[in-house]
Amino acid sequence: DTAVSQTPKYLVTQMGNDKSIKCEQNLGHDTMYWYKQDSKKFLKIMFSYNNKELIINETVPNRFSPKSPDKAHLNLHINSLELGDSAVYFCASSQPDRATYEQYFGPGTRLTVT
Amino acid sequence: KNQVEQSPQSLIILEGKNCTLQCNYTVSPFSNLRWYKQDTGRGPVSLTIMTFSENTKSNGRYTATLDADTKQSSLHITASQLSDSASYICVVSRMDSSYKLIFGSGTRLLVRP
Repeated sequence: DTAVSQTPKYLVTQMGNDKSIKCEQNLGHDTMYWYKQDSKKFLKIMFSYNNKELIINETVPNRFSPKSPDKAHLNLHINSLELGDSAVYFCASSQPDRATYEQYFGPGTRLTVT
Repeated sequence: KNQVEQSPQSLIILEGKNCTLQCNYTVSPFSNLRWYKQDTGRGPVSLTIMTFSENTKSNGRYTATLDADTKQSSLHITASQLSDSASYICVVSRMDSSYKLIFGSGTRLLVRP
């Protein structure tokens, strides 16, 4: 009964490949997010979807394309992977009907591009 | 520029001791400030959330303070346990963009027996 789950947990791939990371939440939340945590441990938001609609799209290369088939799922597809894409990617969800809504994070996917 | 800075970068303490972690922010307009705990290999987990009007909040052995005038927050951990070893991240939310959180780089705490 994991609240926010991600697959895979580890992903090792070569430059130029295309890969996807999947995220699912069973909290009934309307909003989901993708974050990137770099080697310096900063978490930076990449995308956010509210009820399958894109609401945040930070300055992210268009090689990254999020897809939300329904409000419980938010997948991240990455084309033409580069070395700099190596990081830990976190999915999160929240119910933003209160000012101090809580964000619940998944366990992360460690992507290594070689 | 909206930034969140934390100190120290890392900290080692003995089990049973107390410690205090610091957070300074320049985020404006301010909405709320959160402290997250991130265990190695796991996602962040919320410890406390404070709005502008709150200046202290406790969660068990964790007590967070907020001074919205000086834009400073602290997280005090009492009677530390080995399981407190983790990164502690200060996160600030802007009033005009509640979906978007601004994260500090965290303080890495190691509690030794």
